[in-house]
Amino acid sequence: EDQVTQSPEALRLQEGESSSLNCSYTVSGLRGLFWYRQDPGKGPEFLFTLYSAGEEKEKERLKATLTKKESFLHITAPKPEDSATYLCAVPIYGGSQGNLIFGKGTKLSVKP
Amino acid sequence: NAGVTQTPKFQVLKTGQSMTLQCAQDMNHEYMSWYRQDPGMGLRLIHYSVGAGITDQGEVPNGYNVSRSTTEDFPLRLLSAAPSQTSVYFCASSYSPNQPQHFGDGTRLSIL
Repeated sequence: EDQVTQSPEALRLQEGESSSLNCSYTVSGLRGLFWYRQDPGKGPEFLFTLYSAGEEKEKERLKATLTKKESFLHITAPKPEDSATYLCAVPIYGGSQGNLIFGKGTKLSVKP
Repeated sequence: NAGVTQTPKFQVLKTGQSMTLQCAQDMNHEYMSWYRQDPGMGLRLIHYSVGAGITDQGEVPNGYNVSRSTTEDFPLRLLSAAPSQTSVYFCASSYSPNQPQHFGDGTRLSIL
């Protein structure tokens, strides 16, 4: 069964305390993995796309990496404004169509 | 640069009422989708469309109808609202399923 699992469910950090979020997946024939950020009361905002194992993408204090079974979102020296829920998603294909399946997200809180 | 626009932002319905949630995008995206987001459940796909005139069911389609007469618009209809449909609904669009999806800011729906 195609599945996306994120851990931890919630993460509390002090400002400047680096950490990583995990997204593991079980899909046949990975065609990409997406990371999103979601602020309260808003829709998910696209952060990164990763397509192949070993690929890395960076944006400010965030770096996403991909292996054959999981992806990590590394947060270096986070600030309070990085507080949000981070979602990962992978496309799956059934028949002639395709759609995304999402993990349940990691809620990150960064305290000053 | 509007992106994906959803209306209304908030709605309260009584059990048995019907309504249509509107979604419009101005990016000429072929792929559009509707999700519902519930606490602890993550984002679940309701219906999606790969182009005008073509729609298909997602993970949780019961109680919802869609149609796609134009590239820009993808309305979601609740036929007879039930309390179990209380949720936050997000519309998203992209060029294809394995491209990043752009989300609207959601419709918060309560069924009494």
